[in-house]
Amino acid sequence: AQSVTQPDIHITVSEGASLELRCNYSYGATPYLFWYVQSPGQGLQLLLKYFSGDTLVQGIKGFEAEFKRSQSSFNLRKPSVHWSDAAEYFCAVGGLNDYKLSFGAGTTVTVRA
Amino acid sequence: GAVVSQHPSWVICKSGTSVKIECRSLDFQATTMFWYRQFPKQSLMLMATSNEGSKATYEQGVEKDKFLINHASLTLSTLTVTSAHPEDSSFYICSASPGAQELQETQYFGPGTRLLVL
Repeated sequence: AQSVTQPDIHITVSEGASLELRCNYSYGATPYLFWYVQSPGQGLQLLLKYFSGDTLVQGIKGFEAEFKRSQSSFNLRKPSVHWSDAAEYFCAVGGLNDYKLSFGAGTTVTVRA
Repeated sequence: GAVVSQHPSWVICKSGTSVKIECRSLDFQATTMFWYRQFPKQSLMLMATSNEGSKATYEQGVEKDKFLINHASLTLSTLTVTSAHPEDSSFYICSASPGAQELQETQYFGPGTRLLVL
């Protein structure tokens, strides 16, 4: 069975500081990994995805994520957060010909001035 | 590109009535559309998967007769909550996946529909 764990329920970070959100997955085959961001009352926006190739993936809004197969992790990072990055972040896993995505419980990011 | 819209964005209805939510892919053809339900402060729960022109596949525990899904075209799927009750109040989000020309595994999400049943 596939599953995603986001160990941090809530993270508070100062504006301009770096941010790292953890994601660990369990998947029986080669995983396809995604990070989505959800602003209050909104749907999910795709930040980045990893299917294959370079394990360091660049996304939108200055985010990047690194796939580490040995650790079953796909952590999201941003060098310098902006107040507009305050949102809920979801990690998800799927696979080739596997239309179902399994989502983590999400991490709420609060940005303080 | 890859924009998905939902209508309405929010709806309030009386208990016992039916509510229809539309999901449209605006700039691509979606062979597969998904419907999720999200409770406050929780993750998304997949309710069903629909492919154009065929019956939807429902997840375990989701009542087919309660949540009617129609995927009549490659750009439109509808979710009808029949005989809605207060416990159906939730945030419903659809997503759409492009066809075989792109990686089908990428889902693009709509902005969601908040349903409140009184």
